Amino acid sequence: GENVEQHPSTLSVQEGDSAVIKCTYSDSASNYFPWYKQELGKRPQLIIDIRSNVGEKKDQRIAVTLNKTAKHFSLHITETQPEDSAVYFCAARGNTGNQFYFGTGTSLTVIP
Amino acid sequence: KAGVTQTPRYLIKTRGQQVTLSCSPISGHRSVSWYQQTPGQGLQFLFEYFSETQRNKGNFPGRFSGRQFSNSRSEMNVSTLELGDSALYLCASSTGTAGETQYFGPGTRLLVL
Repeated sequence: GENVEQHPSTLSVQEGDSAVIKCTYSDSASNYFPWYKQELGKRPQLIIDIRSNVGEKKDQRIAVTLNKTAKHFSLHITETQPEDSAVYFCAARGNTGNQFYFGTGTSLTVIP
Repeated sequence: KAGVTQTPRYLIKTRGQQVTLSCSPISGHRSVSWYQQTPGQGLQFLFEYFSETQRNKGNFPGRFSGRQFSNSRSEMNVSTLELGDSALYLCASSTGTAGETQYFGPGTRLLVL
């Protein structure tokens, strides 16, 4: 089955700096890659996603890039703010049914 | 549209007991997936149901089972509870078609004593 690895597990940045979280996947048939943000005590919320036929997608301060050849995708957050502090999960959708494989999460802390 | 709902939100059980958790998906969504979330382990996939049929299953023991009803609501059952089953159980719904994202419920926090 698919295996998703996520790095780093923790990340601290100064407010206004950029943050980058990277994920790799193993199954070349995976075709959909969402990113979720989970604040303490809350449910994971979709923040951005990318499909395998697209290399990059942006939404205001958030962007995701996908390299299908290398089988990795990254989340970029620019001009970080304290409210960006949360755990971020990457995921890959496998090629059977609707099964999603999640990374182990990155705890992002934005220092004011 | 109303979001994904889960009941109950909190549960305390003792070892050996069984528990049933419920998930109501977003209206029109036919796929419901269940995940176990524990500190350090991220989200571990349990199973996915689509149109009342289990379509995918993760690597959990047979004590974990589920079902889906004709209205797409889903239940998850854990029998013979163990201390290690203490976790946040999340369900997520989607249309079930390729490339459509999942939307999570608030979760049920289970504590096994």
